[in-house]
Parts: sequence; C-alpha cells; structure tokens
Amino acid sequence: NAGVTQTPKFRVLKTGQSMTLLCAQDMNHEYMYWYRQDPGMGLRLIHYSVGEGTTAKGEVPDGYNVSRLKKQNFLLGLESAAPSQTSVYFCASQPGGSIYEQYFGPGTRLTVT
Amino acid sequence: ILNVEQSPQSLHVQEGDSTNFTCSFPSSNFYALHWYRWETAKSPEALFVMTLNGDEKKKGRISATLNTKEGYSYLYIKGSQPEDSATYLCAFERAGNQFYFGTGTSLTVIP
Repeated sequence: NAGVTQTPKFRVLKTGQSMTLLCAQDMNHEYMYWYRQDPGMGLRLIHYSVGEGTTAKGEVPDGYNVSRLKKQNFLLGLESAAPSQTSVYFCASQPGGSIYEQYFGPGTRLTVT
Repeated sequence: ILNVEQSPQSLHVQEGDSTNFTCSFPSSNFYALHWYRWETAKSPEALFVMTLNGDEKKKGRISATLNTKEGYSYLYIKGSQPEDSATYLCAFERAGNQFYFGTGTSLTVIP
C-alpha cells in the first residue's frame, strides 16, 4: 500500500495563477482532510470530506475549493493564488469514525510569488 | 477561534531523562484527543487517540493521559532516547469531524 500520496511535492506559482493539489489514498478511508502548515502555527484545517461527493469547510477555507468525486481522491484547488497561500499543504485520511487516527501524506510545499 | 495550546514550546533533555508535555483544549464539544509524533522532513504519525475521560494509553516508553472535564492531556516519555527527538502534536477533534491542532512541543534529546 502506498498510503496517502500527494502530487506535486513542490510548486512555485505567480500571484493570480491557479492550480490543483491532488491527494490520493489506497486505504479505502471514508474521511479526508486538507491542512496548511505555517511557521509558528499548528496545522490548520482548510476543508474536509466525510465521504465521496461530500465536502465541508474547515477553519481556514477562504481562497480554496475542494472536490471528492472519487472516494480515493481529494483535490484542493486554488483559483487565484495569493502570496498568503504560500505554505506547506498536508492531506490526511481517516477511517470513518472518531476513534481512529489520521494518516498524513508527505506534504506539498507551495510558494506564491 | 478554538484554542489548543501545548506547553512547553520546546524542550531539551539529556538521554535517559523522563519528560512530559501538556496539551490544553476546550472541554465542550469534545469528541477525541489525538497525539502525533512529527519528525523533521516526514509526515505526522499517530501515537494515540483517546476518547474517554480518564483514558490512559501506552506505547513502549511513551504514555498519555486524558482529562476531558478540565480540558488537558499529558504525554510522558520515560527514559528519553535521541530517536525520540521530534515535534509532538496534539489535536482536539470536535464533534463533526473537525480537527484543531496545537503548535506542538519540539523535543531534543541530547546524547
């Protein structure tokens, strides 16, 4: 099993450009999450999904959109990138229910200039 | 804004010392408390998930306790080893599957 994978690993964008980050998991997990991690701050939840076809806003959703068309994939989109979105993005998946831990991907480092 | 606070922010201990960290979280809408270990250049890895007041979990030399009524959890490491050096994160899971992470405690174990 590959676990949770993220594509790409690194990316540099210019302000105003758009891009999509892909998260894929092969563990048949119901729940998937997108976080951003910034210096001096904890992981902050952007959006999450509790099942195929469902999405919900987290703590810092502005400027991002997500889609969960297939159970194994969770896409994070930036329609018009801003320098404030420079961050490391982590995806995580979790079996259904709160008694299970999250499994994290390796992260995507995004720089917006 | 929901605050999850961890203390201390960083810690240096000698090999063989025992140590502990604190995670404080809101006592309302509690669903679960998670502890993760995060090594540099890697992804966070789960240590424990606790759901009940008074829960105690143990994995080798690492253990954790949970007090949901007063909103805190302790992580203990007995006989610290250099390989224990990492950042330890706690996460408060609120009803509705939302996670709120603390900023972590960075542990350095000096050989």
